[in-house]
Amino acid sequence: DAGVIQSPRHEVTEMGQEVTLRCKPISGHNSLFWYRQTMMRGLELLIYFNNNVPIDDSGMPEDRFSAKMPNASFSTLKIQPSEPRDSAVYFCASSRTSARETQYFGPGTRLLVL
Amino acid sequence: DQQVKQNSPSLSVQEGRISILNCDYTNSMFDYFLWYKKYPAEGPTFLISISSIKDKNEDGRFTVFLNKSAKHLSLHIVPSQPGDSAVYFCAAIPSSNTGKLIFGQGTTLQVKP
Repeated sequence: DAGVIQSPRHEVTEMGQEVTLRCKPISGHNSLFWYRQTMMRGLELLIYFNNNVPIDDSGMPEDRFSAKMPNASFSTLKIQPSEPRDSAVYFCASSRTSARETQYFGPGTRLLVL
Repeated sequence: DQQVKQNSPSLSVQEGRISILNCDYTNSMFDYFLWYKKYPAEGPTFLISISSIKDKNEDGRFTVFLNKSAKHLSLHIVPSQPGDSAVYFCAAIPSSNTGKLIFGQGTTLQVKP
């Protein structure tokens, strides 16, 4: 089992550029979660999907952030335009059904916006 | 507004001794609690969980205790091993929401050989 796969692992970009983070959940998992980790706010949930449908996006910071899950094996988190305060580690996680099932995290994408 | 708080940023213990990591929460609607462990450059991994209908759950060297009246939970690691050195996150889920894990800030545990 490959686990949750995230790409890229590291991203350095300039302010104003579009950033796309990618996630492949564990096969057979129906829930997918995007988290952001910063020193100031710790680990916070941005959005989660169940059966490819966004269920709760209340954690998405603003309209510059968008997430999609076109099918059960792929999700993207897009930031457009990016700002220095978006610099953080972004984690994707998946679980079989919901957050009450064990969530399996990917290795994260470390984003630096200059 | 931090609903899940881990007030100790770090903890250092000797190998073989007990490690106790603490977590406090403010929302009485939380009914499920979890501990995750995180090594550098890796994602968090699930360690142990407890439902609010219990006050203790044990898995090998790891035991989680829940005190609902005090809104407090703790993770005990006995005996501690150097490989346990990591960041430990406490997390909680409100009963009204099946998707939202709310994490504490984390406690860095160092187990010295």
